[in-house]
Amino acid sequence: DIQMTQSPSSLSASLGDRVTITCRASQKIHTYVNWYQQKSGIAPKLLIYAASNLQSGVPSRFSGSGSGTDFTLTINSLQAEDFASYYCQQSYRIPLTFGGGTKVEI
Amino acid sequence: QVQLLESGPGLVKPSETLSLTCTVSSSSISSSFSTSTNHYWGWIRQPPGKGLEWIGHIYPSGSTYYNPSLKNRVTISEDTSKNQFFLRLSSVTAADTAVYYCASIGQKELDFDYWGQGTLATVSS
Repeated sequence: DIQMTQSPSSLSASLGDRVTITCRASQKIHTYVNWYQQKSGIAPKLLIYAASNLQSGVPSRFSGSGSGTDFTLTINSLQAEDFASYYCQQSYRIPLTFGGGTKVEI
Repeated sequence: QVQLLESGPGLVKPSETLSLTCTVSSSSISSSFSTSTNHYWGWIRQPPGKGLEWIGHIYPSGSTYYNPSLKNRVTISEDTSKNQFFLRLSSVTAADTAVYYCASIGQKELDFDYWGQGTLATVSS
């Protein structure tokens, strides 16, 4: 299975901050990475697909980058509604696997 | 916009079978709702306080893909006449206690683009 290692597991940030979350794959996976946001008690929401493509309706302060084994989710100018957990997911090979998550706290 | 809703018993006894239904509305599971890609229909679970685990998915043709970690315990099927798909997980233990989500999965990027609200299934005697 392809392991997805996210870091950090949690972080504290302030409104207006720029936040960066990283995800490292255990093998090269081109750009087959998707990113999700999950607020407490609610289903995850797709933010970014294929490493850098913004899902329709997602604010442009979210961006993704990377290829091969190292990927990054960036949130520019953190807003109150962005405090949540974030997960990466590889779609290069079955079984589909997720990172362990990053909790963004105030 | 595609909507998904999970249903099923919230409590299952150890060694029994967990059965869940996902009802899809505003789209047919037997045809694509997107101009850019076709879709699979799948299940993901999340134990309390933990991360996400892909369980498996089904293509409208009936082809299925399962997480090997669940070995031979999982079956995903569909009823296109009712616009529903199903999860059966046999021989459950406490480790299968989780919120179970159904979702649509874009065939091109294998991204989970629409999700149900989730349903908590607890395994306990």
